Amino acid sequence: DAGVIQSPRHEVTEMGQEVTLRCKPISGHDYLFWYRQTMMRGLELLIYFNNNVPIDDSGMPEDRFSAKMPNASFSTLKIQPSEPRDSAVYFCASRGTGTNTEAFFGQGTRLTVV
Amino acid sequence: AQSVTQPDIHITVSEGASLELRCNYSYGATPYLFWYVQSPGQGLQLLLKYFSGDTLVQGIKGFEAEFKRSQSSFNLRKPSVHWSDAAEYFCAVGPQYGNKLVFGAGTILRVKS
Repeated sequence: DAGVIQSPRHEVTEMGQEVTLRCKPISGHDYLFWYRQTMMRGLELLIYFNNNVPIDDSGMPEDRFSAKMPNASFSTLKIQPSEPRDSAVYFCASRGTGTNTEAFFGQGTRLTVV
Repeated sequence: AQSVTQPDIHITVSEGASLELRCNYSYGATPYLFWYVQSPGQGLQLLLKYFSGDTLVQGIKGFEAEFKRSQSSFNLRKPSVHWSDAAEYFCAVGPQYGNKLVFGAGTILRVKS
């Protein structure tokens, strides 16, 4: 398996533009997580899905952020409109069902909003 | 509230020396504990995890960690560090099933030759 795949790896956009980050989880995994990593706040969970259904989005910072999982092999995190303080590395992770499984992380998308 | 404290922001060790990275957690229930490593520009890779059972757990790359409930600690150790171990290390705690992980701030390990 190729692991969790995120695209793009790097994104530079202007303030006010819409940004869409993409994630393909590991096949067969039914949990998907979106994390954000910043120097100030470290790694924070934004939202997670189970079987394509959002379970907990309490970490989503504002209404400008939205996430979808239209099917088991694809998820998006959208920021509209983007702001400079959204600059961070966004990680997607997935894990399988079971009590003794762990999350596998993608390589992240480094977002810079100028 | 659940939290993870990694007291050391940076640690420098000589190649071949032993290593211990500290992790203390605050959690209201039985914790699931993890150590992840992140190399520059890369995602997080799981080193080891503790769910239950033996409190000394072995991981990849020669790492081990010991869960001490009385001290709320889950310190990571390696007897002999290699230059390739230079990276950032994150301790994390979560509920059963490992959802909603809370991460520590990370410890950056530098290895000097």
